[in-house]
Amino acid sequence: QQPVQSPQAVILREGEDAVINCSSSKALYSVHWYRQKHGEAPVFLMILLKGGEQKGHEKISASFNEKKQQSSLYLTASQLSYSGTYFCGTDGEDTDKLIFGTGTRLQVFP
Amino acid sequence: DAGVTQSPTHLIKTRGQQVTLRCSPKSGHDTVSWYQQALGQGPQFIFQYYEEEERQRGNFPDRFSGHQFPNYSSELNVNALLLGDSALYLCASSLALNTGELFFGEGSRLTVL
Repeated sequence: QQPVQSPQAVILREGEDAVINCSSSKALYSVHWYRQKHGEAPVFLMILLKGGEQKGHEKISASFNEKKQQSSLYLTASQLSYSGTYFCGTDGEDTDKLIFGTGTRLQVFP
Repeated sequence: DAGVTQSPTHLIKTRGQQVTLRCSPKSGHDTVSWYQQALGQGPQFIFQYYEEEERQRGNFPDRFSGHQFPNYSSELNVNALLLGDSALYLCASSLALNTGELFFGEGSRLTVL
């Protein structure tokens, strides 16, 4: 039931791009993306609703393929501040409790 | 504008004891969700409160209970503590009629010895 994220970890140099995937075995109503820095609370990045809409937040964007029950987070021209653990969160049409994925640890080096 | 505040930030208990964690939601928010985050894991949904009632519950035993007060603040109670209850407990607030952004507090780090 918990969404599965891939890869588990990513190491980047500043300016490089990365893609983080989130896959669920259940039909989804929405997908949320959060970033958590070490020792801090998760911070909301964006939410995607049914409809396959792609959204963006500065150089971070995401897509949602409801047929495949998948979402991808795209980080372009990564910055040091992008380092942290990224979690997707999903909910179904019959519930609004948010279930978080397994997490992807991203490290950006100069 | 104060965000989500949680107390205490850290606490140590022994097996079998009981603990109460507190959360004040972001100003204007009426819904509180509690999550347990073990080291290196994603947050696991415990339950959600709205209008002083438990609206949704995750796969946690009855030892985990909660309460929401008329001012929307909330408490999480855990009875008969086990070593496996050691974790960061996160409170998140939101608007019931909103599609979704959760605002998280910094969490309460519970260690059970």
